[in-house]
Amino acid sequence: GDSVTQMEGPVTLSEEAFLTINCTYTATGYPSLFWYVQYPGEGLQLLLKATKADDKGSNKGFEATYRKETTSFHLEKGSVQVSDSAVYFCAQGAGSYQLTFGKGTKLSVIP
Amino acid sequence: DAGVIQSPRHEVTEMGQEVTLRCKPISGHDYLFWYRQTMMRGLELLIYFNNNVPIDDSGMPEDRFSAKMPNASFSTLKIQPSEPRDSAVYFCASREDSTNTGELFFGEGSRLTVL
Repeated sequence: GDSVTQMEGPVTLSEEAFLTINCTYTATGYPSLFWYVQYPGEGLQLLLKATKADDKGSNKGFEATYRKETTSFHLEKGSVQVSDSAVYFCAQGAGSYQLTFGKGTKLSVIP
Repeated sequence: DAGVIQSPRHEVTEMGQEVTLRCKPISGHDYLFWYRQTMMRGLELLIYFNNNVPIDDSGMPEDRFSAKMPNASFSTLKIQPSEPRDSAVYFCASREDSTNTGELFFGEGSRLTVL
């Protein structure tokens, strides 16, 4: 069935470091891909999305490119800030109206 | 818009008690989803509704769980009787888009602790 696999955390980085969180998916069709972010004590909120192959989603300095050939949607940011500390979820939507989420990756950024 | 509103934010109860979680979706959104989040299992979809009708409840763990959506602005998730393993954060989410490119809007969650 459809699934999403993302790198296990937690990830701890120093401020201004480069961030990559890996995400791969399996799907029978051509899903839309999403990154959601969950700040402490809050619900998930959409960070960025891509709806077709080679699309790049971007927001708040974060980017992810839909790679059909490698079935991946890795999240990157060139210079993280303490305020980026959160849990990041990769998700896909294919063939139905629900989303399938990865297990989440906790990011901690230290000053 | 006020966003998705959930209540209560925190609930502590004893095993065997009935628990009712409530959700008010964003006005105009046709889809409503109930998720459960735990450290061990991550984010799990329990059930979702379209135009107040349950579409897929295959994620509901067992008969102790039930969900209703009596109208477009209100949904409940009920656990009766509750058990310690039901302890989790329960999220409600809604969306308006009928395709998978649409954004899900989440509430702040209801943290349930069953003693």
